[in-house]
Amino acid sequence: GAVVSQHPSWVICKSGTSVKIECRSLDFQATTMFWYRQFPKQSLMLMATSNEGSKATYEQGVEKDKFLINHASLTLSTLTVTSAHPEDSSFYICSAESAGGNRVEQFFGPGTRLTVL
Amino acid sequence: SQQGEEDPQALSIQEGENATMNCSYKTSINNLQWYRQNSGRGLVHLILIRSNEREKHSGRLRVTLDTSKKSSSLLITASRAADTASYFCATDRGSYIPTFGRGTSLIVHP
Repeated sequence: GAVVSQHPSWVICKSGTSVKIECRSLDFQATTMFWYRQFPKQSLMLMATSNEGSKATYEQGVEKDKFLINHASLTLSTLTVTSAHPEDSSFYICSAESAGGNRVEQFFGPGTRLTVL
Repeated sequence: SQQGEEDPQALSIQEGENATMNCSYKTSINNLQWYRQNSGRGLVHLILIRSNEREKHSGRLRVTLDTSKKSSSLLITASRAADTASYFCATDRGSYIPTFGRGTSLIVHP
């Protein structure tokens, strides 16, 4: 199956700093990628939909200036958490959409654990 | 708001037993998917069942869908310790973007 990678797999940063997380589709091109956030023992909450070459679409309640998304190529989307605070500590997961035949399927990355001190 | 809600929230069984998890949702769907997540890891897609399907099998997995009751179940037969994970159901929003429930945490004791 298609493979999606994320980098880094975990990061610890100081409050006030910015952190960039990369999401790559390794063996397919993804016009659309999605970013999710997951708190411990909670569900995945969709943060934004990232479309290659255009602005991301953010879900209600997600600050676009705080969570900057760039989808500059068909295989890479980045999420930058700006001026991170402890409440931003979470597990961030991306997924990439692959369209083959008459079926659209999402493939998920392994996630990035962010801890803000 | 979350579309799917899994039940039970936690399930603890012995190896070899069957594990059944349920998912209820609120609005009409095109399809429903089940995912598995090992602790602190990404999601693995298990099975997709379309709204016009009632049952689907994949190895030791059996998924049912009752659109009249807006519910689905995931049955894992002859469970193994390696099946220990969280299991999520996800319903689409008509655009293949899955909306996840809170998940069922399954522990299989060897």
